Amino acid sequence: AQSVTQLDSHVSVSEGTPVLLRCNYSSSYSPSLFWYVQHPNKGLQLLLKYTSAATLVKGINGFEAEFKKSETSFHLTKPSAHMSDAAEYFCVVTPSDYTSGTYKYIFGTGTRLKVLA
Amino acid sequence: GAGVSQSPSNKVTEKGKDVELRCDPISGHTALYWYRQRLGQGLEFLIYFQGNSAPDKSGLPSDRFSAERTGESVSTLTIQRTQQEDSAVYLCASSLEGGAKNIQYFGAGTRLSVL
Repeated sequence: AQSVTQLDSHVSVSEGTPVLLRCNYSSSYSPSLFWYVQHPNKGLQLLLKYTSAATLVKGINGFEAEFKKSETSFHLTKPSAHMSDAAEYFCVVTPSDYTSGTYKYIFGTGTRLKVLA
Repeated sequence: GAGVSQSPSNKVTEKGKDVELRCDPISGHTALYWYRQRLGQGLEFLIYFQGNSAPDKSGLPSDRFSAERTGESVSTLTIQRTQQEDSAVYLCASSLEGGAKNIQYFGAGTRLSVL
């Protein structure tokens, strides 16, 4: 069965410092992996996705994530945090196309990022 | 173009009442999904519609929950005899097609509060 674990429920960083949001996944087959961001009272917005192409994935707003199969990780990073990055971030895994139910997103419990001035 | 639209944005109801939540997917998207987000938790899959195929209802938590979709357009999620544990944000998403590689686009959700 597929699952995803976000290791930190809350992360606080100072503006201008790097951001690291950690995500580990479990999947029997090659997964597709996504990061979404949710600002208060807004819908989920896709930051980036990994679907078995390049292992380093660049997304919007300066975020990127690296797929590491040996570590079953897909951590989200950004070199320099901005106040507008404060939000909740969700790591998502879906099974590969080799299994049924490949449309089901499996969400982590989220990491709330706080950016301090 | 317009994104996924959900209404109402907020719904307060009394325990035991029925509620109906609406989702307008992105035009041309054949796949539609409903999720539930409880406070402090990730999203739970509820139901999936893909074209004219039978929906996958495997995530519906009880028979009080049901959903319908007309063709490839509007969907409604109905919760009968609401309970306090139904309080959550209900999110709808749509994608061009089903399948793992298709990005799901989410609406802003309906926040349901059951008193």
